[in-house]
Amino acid sequence: DAGITQSPRHKVTETGTPVTLRCHQTENHRYMYWYRQDPGHGLRLIHYSYGVKDTDKGEVSDGYSVSRSKTEDFLLTLESATSSQTSVYFCAISEGQGFNEKLFFGSGTQLSVL
Amino acid sequence: KNEVEQSPQNLTAQEGEFITINCSYSVGISALHWLQQHPGGGIVSLFMLSSGKKKHGRLIATINIQEKHSSLHITASHPRDSAVYICVLSGTYKYIFGTGTRLKVLA
Repeated sequence: DAGITQSPRHKVTETGTPVTLRCHQTENHRYMYWYRQDPGHGLRLIHYSYGVKDTDKGEVSDGYSVSRSKTEDFLLTLESATSSQTSVYFCAISEGQGFNEKLFFGSGTQLSVL
Repeated sequence: KNEVEQSPQNLTAQEGEFITINCSYSVGISALHWLQQHPGGGIVSLFMLSSGKKKHGRLIATINIQEKHSSLHITASHPRDSAVYICVLSGTYKYIFGTGTRLKVLA
């Protein structure tokens, strides 16, 4: 267990409002990821981080920004939420590489944008 | 064309049946993961494979790197195995997720 905590677990917001989701880990893992999960799609990468202040875009990054000012926290911000961003958001951590690689996921955040 | 394909998309089985879920891919990988997601629940990693076969309880996962194919088998299936099973391709700290196989095991 990588000690991953996502908050909030559920969020309902209105179109146009900013929203920040938090992913917190306790094990000093370097790589952290934000994914969204929608029906008919596999998990899709929004942004990822490979260290403090080191982040990069994923395949569905439009409308999202991230920050990682501390190793343990990776924040996902929707600057101005839209209904298309209604989704389940998962934070993930990877540990190791190759034959000892492991993936861990947070419990998810159900976000509804009305 | 999708880089990873899972089959079947949906599967209903009777308790006790042997179940196979398949994952085919078209890109080079360093490893392949199988994940389990219960309804309304979080995601749990079941296996990581870079070659061969792994077994954990009633679950067996195999991979054939040359054929770019992996299978997840469940022996003596049980209703608590009802979940979505997701195949994940691993590159260098990059991951490609299949759309999942939704399994329902009836008592």
